[in-house]
Amino acid sequence: GAVVSQHPSWVICKSGTSVKIECRSLDFQATTMFWYRQFPKQSLMLMATSNEGSKATYEQGVEKDKFLINHASLTLSTLTVTSAHPEDSSFYICSAPLVGGPNEKLFFGSGTQLSVL
Amino acid sequence: QKEVEQDPGPLSVPEGAIVSLNCTYSNSAFQYFMWYRQYSRKGPELLMYTYSSGNKEDGRFTAQVDKSSKYISLFIRDSQPSDSATYLCAMSARTGTASKLTFGTGTRLQVTL
Repeated sequence: GAVVSQHPSWVICKSGTSVKIECRSLDFQATTMFWYRQFPKQSLMLMATSNEGSKATYEQGVEKDKFLINHASLTLSTLTVTSAHPEDSSFYICSAPLVGGPNEKLFFGSGTQLSVL
Repeated sequence: QKEVEQDPGPLSVPEGAIVSLNCTYSNSAFQYFMWYRQYSRKGPELLMYTYSSGNKEDGRFTAQVDKSSKYISLFIRDSQPSDSATYLCAMSARTGTASKLTFGTGTRLQVTL
């Protein structure tokens, strides 16, 4: 399957600081990438859709100024959690769709565990 | 009512057992069905991808879709301790809209020696 690399795998930061998470599609190009958030024992919640060359599309209830998304190239999307607070502590996962044949399949990064002190 | 219902488990089975994991859904527009395996603190890994009703087999895994009942299943034969993980079902109305996958909450599976 396709490979999506996410970095860092975990990060601890102080309240008020910003944290950047990178998501790369290693062996395919992705004009679109997706960012999810997952709380313990809960399913994935889509936060936003990252679009190469244009603004990200945010889901209802997700603060654009809190979660900055940049899709710098066809293989890289970044999520920056600005002025992080303890309630932002969560597991963040990116994904990228691979279009091949009639169907599109979604591949996920390994996730980033963010802990805000 | 959630669009996709999945028993969160945990489900504990002995090694070698046949495991049955299930999801029900309410949106009749769903046509693409997926099963993901997620190990603790890792991203989901695509296991099976099926379109419309029917069965699909891949090694020890069989995915089954019954659109008339709005019910999908994942069967794992000869379960191994390495199969211990959370299994998420996901579905969408059409391809090209992978961002709008609707996920189940996941079933935690524990395969014991």
